[in-house]
Amino acid sequence: DAGVIQSPRHEVTEMGQEVTLRCKPISGHDYLFWYRQTMMRGLELLIYFNNNVPIDDSGMPEDRFSAKMPNASFSTLKIQPSEPRDSAVYFCASSLSTAMNTEAFFGQGTRLTVV
Amino acid sequence: GENVEQHPSTLSVQEGDSAVIKCTYSDSASNYFPWYKQELGKGPQLIIDIRSNVGEKKDQRIAVTLNKTAKHFSLHITETQPEDSAVYFCAASIHSGGSNYKLTFGKGTLLTVNP
Repeated sequence: DAGVIQSPRHEVTEMGQEVTLRCKPISGHDYLFWYRQTMMRGLELLIYFNNNVPIDDSGMPEDRFSAKMPNASFSTLKIQPSEPRDSAVYFCASSLSTAMNTEAFFGQGTRLTVV
Repeated sequence: GENVEQHPSTLSVQEGDSAVIKCTYSDSASNYFPWYKQELGKGPQLIIDIRSNVGEKKDQRIAVTLNKTAKHFSLHITETQPEDSAVYFCAASIHSGGSNYKLTFGKGTLLTVNP
């Protein structure tokens, strides 16, 4: 497997524009997580899904953020409208949770810059 | 919710020396404690983890210790090498059987190993 695949790797957009980040989890994994990484706040969990169903979105900062997982192999994180303070690296991670295994595998991240 | 504190935020050592990173957590129900390594431009990658039913775990030059009573855990890297230079994150979560978890991360430690 190629691992968790995120696109795009870099995104520069103007304030007010809609931004969509994409993630393909590892095949067979049943959990998918979206994290945001900034210098000030570190790694923050935004939302996670189990079997395509959102379980906890308490980390989503505002209504401007939304996430979907229409099927087991694809998820999106959308910001509309984007603001400069949304600039960060966004990571998607997936895992297969069993009694013994809990490792989360991270993608390479999307570096978002809102100007 | 869970709160994870990590120290130090930066650590510089000479090649061959040992490095120790310490974390504390707040939720006594947490029972799974992974450590992730993040290299520049990449996503975090799991390097070792420990569960609350053991006090220490080793994997070659890396070891992790856990003190449940004090609610702190530590990462020890011996005989450091330049390729160990990276940002290290500790995390804590509650894992129960096949049910998953929310990983709460520390703010990270930038480790620099000087040749």
